Amino acid sequence: EDQVTQSPEALRLQEGESSSLNCSYTVSGLRGLFWYRQDPGKGPEFLFTLYSAGEEKEKERLKATLTKKESFLHITAPKPEDSATYLCAVHVDGGSQGNLIFGKGTKLSVKP
Amino acid sequence: GAVVSQHPSRVICKSGTSVKIECRSLDFQATTMFWYRQFPKQSLMLMATSNEGSKATYEQGVEKDKFLINHASLTLSTLTVTSAHPEDSSFYICSARVQGQEKAFFGQGTRLTVV
Repeated sequence: EDQVTQSPEALRLQEGESSSLNCSYTVSGLRGLFWYRQDPGKGPEFLFTLYSAGEEKEKERLKATLTKKESFLHITAPKPEDSATYLCAVHVDGGSQGNLIFGKGTKLSVKP
Repeated sequence: GAVVSQHPSRVICKSGTSVKIECRSLDFQATTMFWYRQFPKQSLMLMATSNEGSKATYEQGVEKDKFLINHASLTLSTLTVTSAHPEDSSFYICSARVQGQEKAFFGQGTRLTVV
């Protein structure tokens, strides 16, 4: 069974304290891995797509990396406005077009 | 990026009534849209895949007669929760994918509370 596991469930950081979020996946065939940001009461906002092991993407203080088993979302010198839940999702071979399997997310809190 | 608009953002209804949620792709055509449900601290769970001009495909365990989906045009899909009960209270989110792209864009979500 295809599975996506995110850790930690929650992460509290001080402003400027860099850290990483993990997304481990067990899927039959990966077509793409996605990172989304979700603010309370809102829909997910697209951040990155990664397609193959070794690929990296960056956007401001965020950097996403991918291996054959997991993806990391690195947050460098976070700010309070980075506080949100970060969701990882995979698109797998054989899945309905566009269907994504989501992890439960990591809730990030950045204190000033 | 592409914009998906979902309406309403919040709705409170009485038990036994029906509620309709709209999902529109504003700047692109979406032959396929997806409806998810999200409980607190849980993953987004796919409920159904909405196909323009044809019947929706429901995931196992989702009652098709309770969650009616209509995708009458390339920019609009609707989810109607019929005879709502308190256990239907949840956060419902739609998404659509731009043809030729892998990434999906999500609506703002609808918080449904059944009292």
